Amino acid sequence: SQTIHQWPATLVQPVGSPLSLECTVEGTSNPNLYWYRQAAGRGLQLLFYSVGIGQISSEVPQNLSASRPQDRQFILSSKKLLLSDSGFYLCAWLQGEGNTGELFFGEGSRLTVL
Amino acid sequence: AQTVTQSQPEMSVQEAETVTLSCTYDTSESDYYLFWYKQPPSRQMILVIRQEAYKQQNATENRFSVNFQKAAKSFSLKISDSQLGDAAMYFCAYRRNNYGQNFVFGPGTRLSVLP
Repeated sequence: SQTIHQWPATLVQPVGSPLSLECTVEGTSNPNLYWYRQAAGRGLQLLFYSVGIGQISSEVPQNLSASRPQDRQFILSSKKLLLSDSGFYLCAWLQGEGNTGELFFGEGSRLTVL
Repeated sequence: AQTVTQSQPEMSVQEAETVTLSCTYDTSESDYYLFWYKQPPSRQMILVIRQEAYKQQNATENRFSVNFQKAAKSFSLKISDSQLGDAAMYFCAYRRNNYGQNFVFGPGTRLSVLP
């Protein structure tokens, strides 16, 4: 069965420090992968999505970046965190075109920037 | 651009009663998918139910059913026989056909279930 894991679950970082959130998927190949940020009262905002290794599309300009070094690994990074980067980050996968079209989410990572 | 609106930030329901969560969306597409996702306090988002726009029949999953009104662009979720475990944030989401890369989410409705 397919599973998706995110870590760390909770992170407290000072302003200006780097960030690395990791997401891995098991039990599937060539998944479409997504990073969302969840803000209170504002639903989920798509940050990045990837349809394959090294292929990243950015939806919102910001100081975050994403990388996909392996087929089932998706990383969210920042060189210098801002206070506004605090939030709940969700990784999700969608198996390729022609499938049911559902998003499956990881457990999420709570980032607090102080 | 597509938008999804959930006009009820918070709702409450008595255990064993029925509650309906509202969702409206704006799109010029004719082929799309609609979803309801549930996010319990443990935080992992899970799919509750989905509806294909080309299907006139409302989707049903056990105690969960939808009222899909395509002309009105309305997609409400009905939870029957509410249980304590139904307490969660509920998000309505839209996806443009099976080749769209982006899901558009509403702001969510927090549902409380009263014993």
